[in-house]
Amino acid sequence: GQQVMQIPQYQHVQEGEDFTTYCNSSTTLSNIQWYKQRPGGHPVFLIQLVKSGEVKKQKRLTFQFGEAKKNSSLHITATQTTDVGTYFCAGQGSGTYKYIFGTGTRLKVLA
Amino acid sequence: DSGVTQTPKHLITATGQRVTLRCSPRSGDLSVYWYQQSLDQGLQFLIQYYNGEERAKGNILERFSAQQFPDLHSELNLSSLELGDSALYFCASSVGAGTTWTNEQFFGPGTRLTVL
Repeated sequence: GQQVMQIPQYQHVQEGEDFTTYCNSSTTLSNIQWYKQRPGGHPVFLIQLVKSGEVKKQKRLTFQFGEAKKNSSLHITATQTTDVGTYFCAGQGSGTYKYIFGTGTRLKVLA
Repeated sequence: DSGVTQTPKHLITATGQRVTLRCSPRSGDLSVYWYQQSLDQGLQFLIQYYNGEERAKGNILERFSAQQFPDLHSELNLSSLELGDSALYFCASSVGAGTTWTNEQFFGPGTRLTVL
């Protein structure tokens, strides 16, 4: 079945440093979503990417969808303490309705 | 506040028992998803309903069942509970379910289930 892996599992950065998490699917995706979960909270939707090679920006966050629609990345420029949390990607396989969540990357930002 | 409500917030029960978790989606959302999140783990997709019908199934155990009612609220039933079922159960809702929508999922606060 469809699997979605994320690396790294954990990342500690100094405030102001950049951060990137990568998401890889075992199958081609129709679209991919990204969520952020703060400690003790629930996942909050960040963005959805649909097109091959798509790049979207939200302030300091840059999201990319691979050309083959099997991988994606989230890059945060100049991290802030408010960026702390776990970032999940969620892929919807071609021809399916369900979203498979990646294993998540837990980000800690040191002030 | 996402607009998705889940009850109860916490549930403590014993092995072998049966519990029901309830979810009310955001107004206007037709899809409901259920996820299980064990301690420090990712989100495991359980099941999805769209407008009352089962749309997709994940790694949901046979001891678990769910349904979506005509008023679109959903219930997740967990029976013959085991220690390993202790987890945070999230419900999420979205407007649609197909690939032509931006299927932004709005998550509820979750129900924390503890099986003793």
